[in-house]
Amino acid sequence: EDKVVQSPLSLVVHEGDTVTLNCSYEVTNFRSLLWYKQEKKAPTFLFMLTSSGIEKKSGRLSSILDKKELFSILNITATQTGDSAVYLCAVVGSNYKLTFGKGTLLTVNP
Amino acid sequence: DAGVTQSPTHLIKTRGQQVTLRCSPKSGHDTVSWYQQALGQGPQFIFQYYEEEERQRGNFPDRFSGHQFPNYSSELNVNALLLGDSALYLCASSLGVGNTIYFGEGSWLTVV
Repeated sequence: EDKVVQSPLSLVVHEGDTVTLNCSYEVTNFRSLLWYKQEKKAPTFLFMLTSSGIEKKSGRLSSILDKKELFSILNITATQTGDSAVYLCAVVGSNYKLTFGKGTLLTVNP
Repeated sequence: DAGVTQSPTHLIKTRGQQVTLRCSPKSGHDTVSWYQQALGQGPQFIFQYYEEEERQRGNFPDRFSGHQFPNYSSELNVNALLLGDSALYLCASSLGVGNTIYFGEGSWLTVV
């Protein structure tokens, strides 16, 4: 059975700090890894990663995948209070369904 | 371009009742999946529909059933509701499989 483990489960930082969120996985026939941000309801798409070592970047957020060591990290630089959310990592395996981790609750204090 | 839309947004049901949740996929998307998210947990896969057929199913009992219509919209039905069915039900759509998956706002179901 596919498995995703995220760490830490929660994190409190001050505005301006840089954070790194971790995601490790076990999956049959890996196809992709996705990061989502969930503030209240709908998870909103951040990144989809399929290849090792290629950094995806969007503003202050970036992510990279290591398919050999089976993990991904999500970095957020110069954090803002609006970054406060649950960050979800999910993998897609051979059956094309998303398997999610429990998420990391990030709280950014002013 | 409308995203994934779900209805209703909130509902309260009594144990033993049945509920139907609805989803319209993002424009151009033909594949719909349903997820259940309990408080403090990540979403759990229920099932996926493509070409009006259930293609994949997660570890959910037969009380959970669904349907996809020719216009790609979908319904999730839950029979004989239990207190433990209280959760946020998320619909997700994509163009085929293997592409980016987008989520709707979800339907909050409370079973009392």
